Amino acid sequence: AQSVTQLDSQVPVFEEAPVELRCNYSSSVSVYLFWYVQYPNQGLQLLLKYLSGSTLVKSINGFEAEFNKSQTSFHLRKPSVHISDTAEYFCAVSAGTYKYIFGTGTRLKVLA
Amino acid sequence: GAGVSQSPSNKVTEKGKDVELRCDPISGHTALYWYRQSLGQGLEFLIYFQGNSAPDKSGLPSDRFSAERTGGSVSTLTIQRTQQEDSAVYLCASSLARGHSYEQYFGPGTRLTVT
Repeated sequence: AQSVTQLDSQVPVFEEAPVELRCNYSSSVSVYLFWYVQYPNQGLQLLLKYLSGSTLVKSINGFEAEFNKSQTSFHLRKPSVHISDTAEYFCAVSAGTYKYIFGTGTRLKVLA
Repeated sequence: GAGVSQSPSNKVTEKGKDVELRCDPISGHTALYWYRQSLGQGLEFLIYFQGNSAPDKSGLPSDRFSAERTGGSVSTLTIQRTQQEDSAVYLCASSLARGHSYEQYFGPGTRLTVT
């Protein structure tokens, strides 16, 4: 079985500052990892994913995440955040089946 | 193309009433999922459909919850005799069931409030 831990329930950060949202997982098998973003009153949108290959994956809007197998982590980073990045971010893990296990989410609040 | 749609977007109901929540998946997606999102709880898996059958119903919290899918497309989640603890956002997702990623596309959700 897999599990996901997002230790930070809320992260406030000033505009143009860097941010890191932490995600740790546990699994006895190889996994696929995902970050989803949920803007207010909307559904979840896939931000980026790690399936195989390069351990550093990037989104079109400047976020990146690095798969670290030894630390069982998949932290999400952005070097300079914008007000529009304010949202809730969910980390998810899958063992290659339909079953996704989601973390409890991290609310990113970007302050002007 | 059109994404996953859900209706209604908001539903307020009295305790003890039955409610039906609808999901229209992306055309061609054979897999469909229902999740429940409660405040501070993350996403709770409810049920998974492959075509019209539900090989995994393990997340349905009680026998008051049921779901069906017809024509390999639209799905309805029914909650009978609603309780206040059923108040949550119910999210539907769909995916192509191929490859290994089963990348899921989510609808906007139905916010259910039981008074």
